[in-house]
Amino acid sequence: GDSVTQMEGPVTLSEEAFLTINCTYTATGYPSLFWYVQYPGEGLQLLLKATKADDKGSNKGFEATYRKETTSFHLEKGSVQVSDSAVYFCALSRRSNDYKLSFGAGTTVTVRA
Amino acid sequence: KAGVTQTPRYLIKTRGQQVTLSCSPISGHRSVSWYQQTPGQGLQFLFEYFSETQRNKGNFPGRFSGRQFSNSRSEMNVSTLELGDSALYLCASSLEVTLRAYNEQFFGPGTRLTVL
Repeated sequence: GDSVTQMEGPVTLSEEAFLTINCTYTATGYPSLFWYVQYPGEGLQLLLKATKADDKGSNKGFEATYRKETTSFHLEKGSVQVSDSAVYFCALSRRSNDYKLSFGAGTTVTVRA
Repeated sequence: KAGVTQTPRYLIKTRGQQVTLSCSPISGHRSVSWYQQTPGQGLQFLFEYFSETQRNKGNFPGRFSGRQFSNSRSEMNVSTLELGDSALYLCASSLEVTLRAYNEQFFGPGTRLTVL
């Protein structure tokens, strides 16, 4: 079945540091890939997405590139802020599976001023 | 446009009781999915409803059930609660555009269930 493996946390960074969270996946066919973010006490928000190989998703300074050859979708941000402190989830869905989301375990990121 | 709403936001129950959680999707969205979030198991898919029919089901015992109404609002029910059912239950809705590569799911804030 589908599965997503992402870097274990927690990750603690200083403001303006570079952030990378690794994500790899296993799935049949051609999944769409997502990064979701969860701020304390809230539900999940879609951060960015990519629907085919070599697509780059980007939003709010975050980027991730769909690499089919390495089955990866690593999240990066060049300069983090305190407001980026949250839990980040890598996820995939397939049209052939009615778009059911399969999530990674989540990575807690804390950014210190 | 109003987002996905879930009620109640917090709930405390005791073992053996049953509970019903409610989810109102974004207007016009016909697909509603439910997820359970726990520190140990992470985010796990419970089930998905589309046009009042359960279309997909995760690997949960029969104590977990759900339904969807004609206005797309959905409820999930957990009977004979166990301590391990303590979790954040998230609901998500999507517009469901057919033949599209993906359908963005919009999540509600969740219902925090504590079983004592």
